[in-house]
Amino acid sequence: DAGVTQSPTHLIKTRGQHVTLRCSPISGHKSVSWYQQVLGQGPQFIFQYYEKEERGRGNFPDRFSARQFPNYSSELNVNALLLGDSALYLCASSTKGETQYFGPGTRLLVL
Amino acid sequence: GQQVMQIPQYQHVQEGEDFTTYCNSSTTLSNIQWYKQRPGGHPVFLIQLVKSGEVKKQKRLTFQFGEAKKNSSLHITATQTTDVGTYFCAGDSGANNLFFGTGTRLTVIP
Repeated sequence: DAGVTQSPTHLIKTRGQHVTLRCSPISGHKSVSWYQQVLGQGPQFIFQYYEKEERGRGNFPDRFSARQFPNYSSELNVNALLLGDSALYLCASSTKGETQYFGPGTRLLVL
Repeated sequence: GQQVMQIPQYQHVQEGEDFTTYCNSSTTLSNIQWYKQRPGGHPVFLIQLVKSGEVKKQKRLTFQFGEAKKNSSLHITATQTTDVGTYFCAGDSGANNLFFGTGTRLTVIP
């Protein structure tokens, strides 16, 4: 079975731009969570979606938004990019939110 | 806010030596999970502990959950070079999100 997939794998943007990251969960998983991992730190929780509804939100500004589609895939959107948004963005899927299976991540560099 | 701290931040061991990382939460957890992240990779789920005082073993790895459900530990016996990576604990307070610890980066010297 395919694991969690994310696209793109790498991305370079400039300050002020907008970015959309995509995630496809493991087949049968209805929950998707997004994390930001800055170099040298642990992943920081951004959002959790379950059955297309937001179930949890971390301490991130409103520039960050997400949604989940009927096929349970998800998008993370970040507006007005800042240099500090440079990080590895991880998507994780689970059946209901417990054990998280992570995708390979999208490495975002903001210049 | 909830915080999960891990010590040590870094650990260098000779191959064959034991290794332990400790995790402490500022709040009581409904469960705790452990992940391993290889350099350049993504976190990979190792185990979940739910019960107070629970101990679980996976080959050379032993995981413990404290009686108060606020701390946990991971012990690796006789480390191998394949154990290299960063080990994260992640606390679940039951509020639909995971708080990851600061991680312990393990280096194994052959």
